[in-house]
Amino acid sequence: DTAVSQTPKYLVTQMGNDKSIKCEQNLGHDTMYWYKQDSKKFLKIMFSYNNKELIINETVPNRFSPKSPDKAHLNLHINSLELGDSAVYFCASSFGTGQEKLFFGSGTQLSVL
Amino acid sequence: AQKVTQAQTEISVVEKEDVTLDCVYETRDTTYYLFWYKQPPSGELVFLIRRNSFDEQNEISGRYSWNFQKSTSSFNFTITASQVVDSAVYFCALTNSGYALNFGRGTSLLVTP
Repeated sequence: DTAVSQTPKYLVTQMGNDKSIKCEQNLGHDTMYWYKQDSKKFLKIMFSYNNKELIINETVPNRFSPKSPDKAHLNLHINSLELGDSAVYFCASSFGTGQEKLFFGSGTQLSVL
Repeated sequence: AQKVTQAQTEISVVEKEDVTLDCVYETRDTTYYLFWYKQPPSGELVFLIRRNSFDEQNEISGRYSWNFQKSTSSFNFTITASQVVDSAVYFCALTNSGYALNFGRGTSLLVTP
């Protein structure tokens, strides 16, 4: 049973396209996150949601729109993809606030050509 | 502002050597939480330890140990008798009671037979 699952694992697309990454957790957590890991392995928070409400939007371009239909899901939609969007995107979840340990998904490797 | 510095970008050791990964943090908060995560070559992010700012006790878990010193704002991680399976990127991270982890840039550890 995968605790935090995200799909797809790999996403290769052309510049200008729109794509989505899905994330689901079956841990009963009420907080979910999206992190971006760049080519130098640097991990940075993009969004965090608590009980479906947006808590943190860390200066992410408007082309990125998270959607949380319920506590168990946090999807990431990206419009008009750019070369600089190429990265690994990690979904994560935790109990309560971010002071608790995060459970990460296996990551989505996005390559924009 | 919060900041985590992992000054060691890459470390290479021979199996059975002990190795210490350094982590220095900056925060103005009196309540904060420190973490270590491991990212093996397969790419997933694995939680190792969580420490709150009021608990300076060192921790040992098998071959892993952590030294938390508020006086030097450090939270160092030692692997005793390293093994090839310890090869990974190790991230130190910091948060207050908020909804985002601030990660260091990671230390890539290579353990050779």
